Amino acid sequence: EVQLVESGGGLVQPGGSLRLSCAASGLTFSIYWMSWVRQAPGKGPEWVANIKPDGSATNYVDSVKGRFTISRDNAENSLYLQMSSLRADDTAVYYCVFNQYWGRGTLVTVSS
Amino acid sequence: DIQMTQSPSILSASVGDRVTITCRARQNINTWLAWYQQKPGNAPKVLIYEASSLESGVPSRFSGSGSGTEFTLTISSLQPDDFATYYCQQFNSYFGGGTKVEIK
Repeated sequence: EVQLVESGGGLVQPGGSLRLSCAASGLTFSIYWMSWVRQAPGKGPEWVANIKPDGSATNYVDSVKGRFTISRDNAENSLYLQMSSLRADDTAVYYCVFNQYWGRGTLVTVSS
Repeated sequence: DIQMTQSPSILSASVGDRVTITCRARQNINTWLAWYQQKPGNAPKVLIYEASSLESGVPSRFSGSGSGTEFTLTISSLQPDDFATYYCQQFNSYFGGGTKVEIK
């Protein structure tokens, strides 16, 4: 059974940084593209970033380019999202996603 | 980047109606597509994956078809529990803009 467990969310001030982690199990992690998706309160889901199986390529939605960095550690079956220069509109539940499998999400709140 | 165009954005229908939602990709994505249902306050729930495979536990009135750039989600006979918003998503990438299915 595929399991994706996110951690690292919390309350952060505008301009601050946060690092999200995702622990994956039940899949051969090292051969799959992985991604982060977020959902702000009252809005639809938004794809944020993805990363190639070997980590050699990444893609981002325009609104986070230059501020967020997705990475992975295949030896640890882990996915990460380093977020910096956070803004109020980054407030959302962030989900670790692999194809149609989603974690339960971790809440990021950007507020002073 | 491959972005997804979903239509219609709002669909008014009655219980028992057959409903079809369309999703188009700008480039060929083979069958790497999922359909989700979302209700207020809840996370998206997967209905269909790999364009046409029904997720376990999802009623058989839901079906998906298509490959390449054009995909459809069909609800064969709309039930009261189906009034919700539906999204398509290319695996690990963009979502469509959503289709809100409302009561006619």
